[in-house]
Amino acid sequence: AQSVSQHNHHVILSEAASLELGCNYSYGGTVNLFWYVQYPGQHLQLLLKYFSGDPLVKGIKGFEAEFIKSKFSFNLRKPSVQWSDTAEYFCAVMPKAAGNKLTFGGGTRVLVKP
Amino acid sequence: SAVISQKPSRDICQRGTSLTIQCQVDSQVTMMFWYRQQPGQSLTLIATANQGSEATYESGFVIDKFPISRPNLTFSTLTVSNMSPEDSSIYLCSAYDRQGGGGYTFGSGTRLTVV
Repeated sequence: AQSVSQHNHHVILSEAASLELGCNYSYGGTVNLFWYVQYPGQHLQLLLKYFSGDPLVKGIKGFEAEFIKSKFSFNLRKPSVQWSDTAEYFCAVMPKAAGNKLTFGGGTRVLVKP
Repeated sequence: SAVISQKPSRDICQRGTSLTIQCQVDSQVTMMFWYRQQPGQSLTLIATANQGSEATYESGFVIDKFPISRPNLTFSTLTVSNMSPEDSSIYLCSAYDRQGGGGYTFGSGTRLTVV
């Protein structure tokens, strides 16, 4: 079955550490890719998205993601995290043949220790 | 980008009753979606709400349990019918925001507890 996998369920790190969250998908065709963040008690917010063009995408709050087509991956990175980055992060994929429907990964809970 | 107002934000309901959740978008959007986020899990798509036609349900979800309305391009409702404790979850609506760059905007969610 087609799916979206996020490798880490929980990540704990200290402020100023670098963060990388993995995301792999199994759709064979053209896809649009997204990373969403859900801060404690808040609703989902878009961090960044990739539709086409430069596979290195820069988003809000210093986040970036790289689309590697050959690896079916769209990993999220931030060079130096802050305590305020504590949140749950969701990767999502929209196959262009799927009628604009998003499929979400299982999410990664990130805890940044001050 | 579009902004979605969702209500109620939370509710505690008795088993066997129904709850209707409303989502209002501040601009016209072609497609709206309803998701469920069970405790500790990711988001699962329930259905696509299509204006002027019946909703399209994903596998495992049926219209009798989750009837959806989409009377116009800015509004949709989801009803959770004949509730049981297993329906306790967060329900979210989403809109595909073509004019906002092709991303998806989400409502703030409805936290439902069935007792």
